[in-house]
Amino acid sequence: GENVEQHPSTLSVQEGDSAVIKCTYSDSASNYFPWYKQELGKRPQLIIDIRSNVGEKKDQRIAVTLNKTAKHFSLHITETQPEDSAVYFCAASMEYGNKLVFGAGTILRVKS
Amino acid sequence: IAGITQAPTSQILAAGRRMTLRCTQDMRHNAMYWYRQDLGLGLRLIHYSNTAGTTGKGEVPDGYSVSRANTDDFPLTLASAVPSQTSVYFCASKPGPGTGELFFGEGSRLTVL
Repeated sequence: GENVEQHPSTLSVQEGDSAVIKCTYSDSASNYFPWYKQELGKRPQLIIDIRSNVGEKKDQRIAVTLNKTAKHFSLHITETQPEDSAVYFCAASMEYGNKLVFGAGTILRVKS
Repeated sequence: IAGITQAPTSQILAAGRRMTLRCTQDMRHNAMYWYRQDLGLGLRLIHYSNTAGTTGKGEVPDGYSVSRANTDDFPLTLASAVPSQTSVYFCASKPGPGTGELFFGEGSRLTVL
């Protein structure tokens, strides 16, 4: 089955700097890659997603890139703010959102 | 307010006891899921249901069962709880195949002693 590895497990950045979180997946048949943000004590919420027919997608300060050949995808957050502090999860699936396999998560701390 | 509701929010349970976590959504979503969240392991899929009347096994189904008698409800049952089932459980839903975003409930924190 699918296996998703996520790095780093923790990331501290200064407010205004950029943050990058990387994930690799094992199954080349996976075609859907979402990112979820979970604030402390809250539920996970989708922040951005990408399908395998697209190499990059951007939404304001957040972008996701996908390298199908290398089977990895990354989340980029620019101009980080304290409210970006949270746990971020990447995920992958072979069907559009069905049976998502999540990475272990990255704790992002933005220091002001 | 439309959404997905879980109960109980938190529960302490003796090992060997039976426990049912409830999940109800009023968004008329076809697909529903149960995940468990453990530190360092992310979210792992326990069971899922693509539509009322059908269920399937996820990554970690052992010790858990589900039913989907109607569109709105998707209860998760631990027949005989064990300490390794101590976790935060999230129910989630989405409209159906061809849609991506999962909508999560607020979670149920279960402690098995």
